[in-house]
Amino acid sequence: SQQGEEDPQALSIQEGENATMNCSYKTSINNLQWYRQNSGRGLVHLILIRSNEREKHSGRLRVTLDTSKKSSSLLITASRAADTASYFCATDAGTGGFKTIFGAGTRLFVKA
Amino acid sequence: NAGVTQTPKFQVLKTGQSMTLQCAQDMNHEYMSWYRQDPGMGLRLIHYSVGAGITDQGEVPNGYNVSRSTTEDFPLRLLSAAPSQTSVYFCASSRDSPYEQYFGPGTRLTVT
Repeated sequence: SQQGEEDPQALSIQEGENATMNCSYKTSINNLQWYRQNSGRGLVHLILIRSNEREKHSGRLRVTLDTSKKSSSLLITASRAADTASYFCATDAGTGGFKTIFGAGTRLFVKA
Repeated sequence: NAGVTQTPKFQVLKTGQSMTLQCAQDMNHEYMSWYRQDPGMGLRLIHYSVGAGITDQGEVPNGYNVSRSTTEDFPLRLLSAAPSQTSVYFCASSRDSPYEQYFGPGTRLTVT
């Protein structure tokens, strides 16, 4: 079963706009991560947020975590065409911290 | 550092054939894992290892075997290929936990 589920499944925006992707999960977590995958390539780790953190920033990325709602969001500010990729959330929900379970991803398309 | 390398990049098998997908990392990482990615889905964990000599099952282990005799290598064996195993396979590694994983470029496997 997939613990993390992203919403929306696909998102198309203009360059310069902000992109927001959401992730929901079912059971308690220790950590939640976001990864990016460019077409045909392996995944690249973007950011990890711990269960006791509410917000984290990395460059143009902002991640929030609401453990009471079992949800997270990834905000990419001032999107660029190079941000076109699939974005996955991954949690260790229900795994005892030994496994990472990925959602189905959000496909982001940034139009130049 | 080469990071995580996978061979082969592409493979076509006939039903019933066996083969080994190779994965190696040169970062002295203890944690290694294998995922499969099917169209429109996220990654599903097949097997993982927390160190040499220690492996465990993930979400979809049936039809696959792994072993970890060295820190560097984590091969995935398909025992008797089936069309349902047609997928893209990714190997990943991280320092000592299933977080902040580095992914290989993937092996695209087709079983006819």
